Amino acid sequence: GESVGLHLPTLSVQEGDNSIINCAYSNSASDYFIWYKQESGKGPQFIIDIRSNMDKRQGQRVTVLLNKTVKHLSLQIAATQPGDSAVYFCAENTAGYALNFGKGTSLLVTP
Amino acid sequence: GAVVSQHPSRVICKSGTSVKIECRSLDFQATTMFWYRQFPKQSLMLMATSNEGSKATYEQGVEKDKFLINHASLTLSTLTVTSAHPEDSSFYICSATAPGLGTDTQYFGPGTRLTVL
Repeated sequence: GESVGLHLPTLSVQEGDNSIINCAYSNSASDYFIWYKQESGKGPQFIIDIRSNMDKRQGQRVTVLLNKTVKHLSLQIAATQPGDSAVYFCAENTAGYALNFGKGTSLLVTP
Repeated sequence: GAVVSQHPSRVICKSGTSVKIECRSLDFQATTMFWYRQFPKQSLMLMATSNEGSKATYEQGVEKDKFLINHASLTLSTLTVTSAHPEDSSFYICSATAPGLGTDTQYFGPGTRLTVL
């Protein structure tokens, strides 16, 4: 079936560098995408979202880019900090409110 | 705002017993709640969608008689794992949404770690 997947299962960056986490989706009907951050033993925390009528959205230190032509989503984190270390999931929403989660990327920020 | 809580945060039980997990929306009325299961180093898998006052909709492969879901009020949904076995050990996470918050936004609880001995 259709699924959401990630290109990189793990990502290690130095503190202060920018991080880019990528996600590919296959359902062209998806119209809403969300990035979540999950720390060990905790529930997912909303980071930023974007709708299919947009190609870029910025938050505080984070930017989400959506390329519908190639069905690609990315999360950019500026000036990555140790507190950013976590697993990041992209999720898509197509029918109703159910979310389809990607496999996750583990981000490790080294000093 | 939009806080979702779960209780308990951790539970250990013997094989064959039943365990109830509560999911509450603390500051909003959740018309829809979702239950997910997450195994170690894996993603969240949707188990069921629960609408207040109606029967839950289960995903393919999820046994409705084993995972009983009750959404009796706009602020509470419960998941009961009946006759739990070691393979049911997992991290169970709920989320909630409501039209007043933005129809597509889901807010997640902190999760419940279930260990079945």
